[in-house]
Amino acid sequence: ETGVTQSPTHLIKTRGQQVTLRCSSQSGHNTVSWYQQALGQGPQFIFQYYREEENGRGNFPPRFSGLQFPNYSSELNVNALELDDSALYLCASSLSPGSFTDTQYFGPGTRLTVL
Amino acid sequence: ELKVEQNPLFLSMQEGKNYTIYCNYSTTSDRLYWYRQDPGKSLESLFVLLSNGAVKQEGRLMASLDTKARLSTLHITAAVHDLSATYFCAVDLDSNYQLIWGAGTKLIIKP
Repeated sequence: ETGVTQSPTHLIKTRGQQVTLRCSSQSGHNTVSWYQQALGQGPQFIFQYYREEENGRGNFPPRFSGLQFPNYSSELNVNALELDDSALYLCASSLSPGSFTDTQYFGPGTRLTVL
Repeated sequence: ELKVEQNPLFLSMQEGKNYTIYCNYSTTSDRLYWYRQDPGKSLESLFVLLSNGAVKQEGRLMASLDTKARLSTLHITAAVHDLSATYFCAVDLDSNYQLIWGAGTKLIIKP
């Protein structure tokens, strides 16, 4: 059973640029959720994809967008980067929403620094 | 708006002591999670609590859930240095894995 993987591990961008982060979900999982974790804080839910459709969104502006592919891997895209976007971005995979016995499994994260 | 509050936010304790971390949330929830995070690392799932009165134990950690009081606790028994980490609780309102997180409790256990 493979775990959740993310790439790249670290990334440095400048304000105004665009970035794409990638996530491969755990084998057998069809749901991917993305979180932003600023330094010293708890994660904040960005959005979730289930079977290639957005299935919920947190309080993030439209410049945060995503995709899920037929193999259930996922991308997070952020346009017009701002300094406050500097954070650890975590993806988590899980079984279908409503599965009552399982948990989310997190990837190692991508550390994004915006200068 | 759902709020999840943890306390304390920081805890320094000696090995061998017992302590409890508290997690309060502001609205009815289907599920509550506890996760551990080591510095610079990702999140490791510890417990999933699914119903009122649920209690789960793993080693020196025990988690419980009181849905009426909207309170979960994470109890540490006879702490050891390896348990030093930041502990998060997270609430899943609608059983859809869209979690709302507490701010975390940074736990330091001194030898």
